Amino acid sequence: GAVVSQHPSRVICKSGTSVKIECRSLDFQATTMFWYRQFPKQSLMLMATSNEGSKATYEQGVEKDKFLINHASLTLSTLTVTSAHPEDSSFYICSVQIGRVDEKLFFGSGTQLSVL
Amino acid sequence: KQEVTQIPAALSVPEGENLVLNCSFTDSAIYNLQWFRQDPGKGLTSLLLIQSSQREQTSGRLNASLDKSSGRSTLYIAASQPGDSATYLCAVKGNSGGSNYKLTFGKGTLLTVNP
Repeated sequence: GAVVSQHPSRVICKSGTSVKIECRSLDFQATTMFWYRQFPKQSLMLMATSNEGSKATYEQGVEKDKFLINHASLTLSTLTVTSAHPEDSSFYICSVQIGRVDEKLFFGSGTQLSVL
Repeated sequence: KQEVTQIPAALSVPEGENLVLNCSFTDSAIYNLQWFRQDPGKGLTSLLLIQSSQREQTSGRLNASLDKSSGRSTLYIAASQPGDSATYLCAVKGNSGGSNYKLTFGKGTLLTVNP
């Protein structure tokens, strides 16, 4: 069964609105979750590392005030795209590190965001 | 900065054929390498994970090899089936704790297996 649940799977919104994406670790506690973004025909790029109970660590070039990450519990991390614009349209996907760092990462099913 | 390259970008084969997907990375200081499968508009499914100390891993019709010193990995798929059609992604995890063991992905190989 699925290890990670991500919702919604698809969002279409108007420019200027905010969109929240949820990532849940099912049956496992996840102290660390990762958020990735994938533009068409491009690699998945790490946006930020979400740590439970502390501030997220953002990769270079990712605006922390635009992509708000909240990891309030060991099973839930949220990514909020604030004041979304068409250039934010992308495939967003979360992943969870369960266990040691040398073990597999499990990914959610992703969220396709389209900003009109 | 780690860079991961996958060749070919796309591959189309008839059903039943054996095939090899290639992955190369620029920084050999890796923790592990993982192969994923991605179906259109969906998440990633982990196929095989090879630790830096390992040379290969096998799961069913899949075999992945790792040559860390040369920065290369291959994914071998035996007796391909139409259900194998997907994008295959290679990702390496760095071993620098300061970068949170970041996973760096290639752009993937789009595989089409024709009936």
